[in-house]
Amino acid sequence: DAGVIQSPRHEVTEMGQEVTLRCKPISGHDYLFWYRQTMMRGLELLIYFNNNVPIDDSGMPEDRFSAKMPNASFSTLKIQPSEPRDSAVYFCASSLAGSGANVLTFGAGSRLTVL
Amino acid sequence: DAKTTQPTSMDCAEGRAANLPCNHSTISGNEYVYWYRQIHSQGPQYIIHGLKNNETNEMASLIITEDRKSSTLILPHATLRDTAVYYCIASNAGGTSYGKLTFGQGTILTVHP
Repeated sequence: DAGVIQSPRHEVTEMGQEVTLRCKPISGHDYLFWYRQTMMRGLELLIYFNNNVPIDDSGMPEDRFSAKMPNASFSTLKIQPSEPRDSAVYFCASSLAGSGANVLTFGAGSRLTVL
Repeated sequence: DAKTTQPTSMDCAEGRAANLPCNHSTISGNEYVYWYRQIHSQGPQYIIHGLKNNETNEMASLIITEDRKSSTLILPHATLRDTAVYYCIASNAGGTSYGKLTFGQGTILTVHP
């Protein structure tokens, strides 16, 4: 298995632009998570899905952020409009509930820089 | 999740055992201890978890004290590739806490040649 695949690995954009980050979870996994990592706040959970349904989005910072999971093999995290404070590394992770709770496999991350 | 306390940094010689401590004195009965690590520029990687008993897998061993207030992650033969930030997390195994891992600042382990 190729693991959790994220794209793009690096994104540089200007303030006000729309940003879309993509994630392909491990095949067969039924949970998908979006985390964000910054120096100031460390790793934070933004949202997670179970069987493609959003379960908890309480970590999404504001309405500029949205996430979708149209099918079991694809999810997007969108920021519109982007702001410099959104600069961070965004990680997608997936897990299989039956394999043990809280055993997450993370992707390599998407490093976002908003100028 | 219960608060965990870890040393900010540790050093270890290559080939020796690395013993990383974690304090979780307020852990509740249904909270597991999880260890993840993050190598520079990579995503976090799951290592091991346990509830009460000591656990061992191909990566590491987890020793949990009988009162469950602290634990130690042991990398038996550290290599340079084990240099990373190691996170100790106390969390419920499921329910509304599922996936909500509080990573904290972790311990920066540096393995020296």
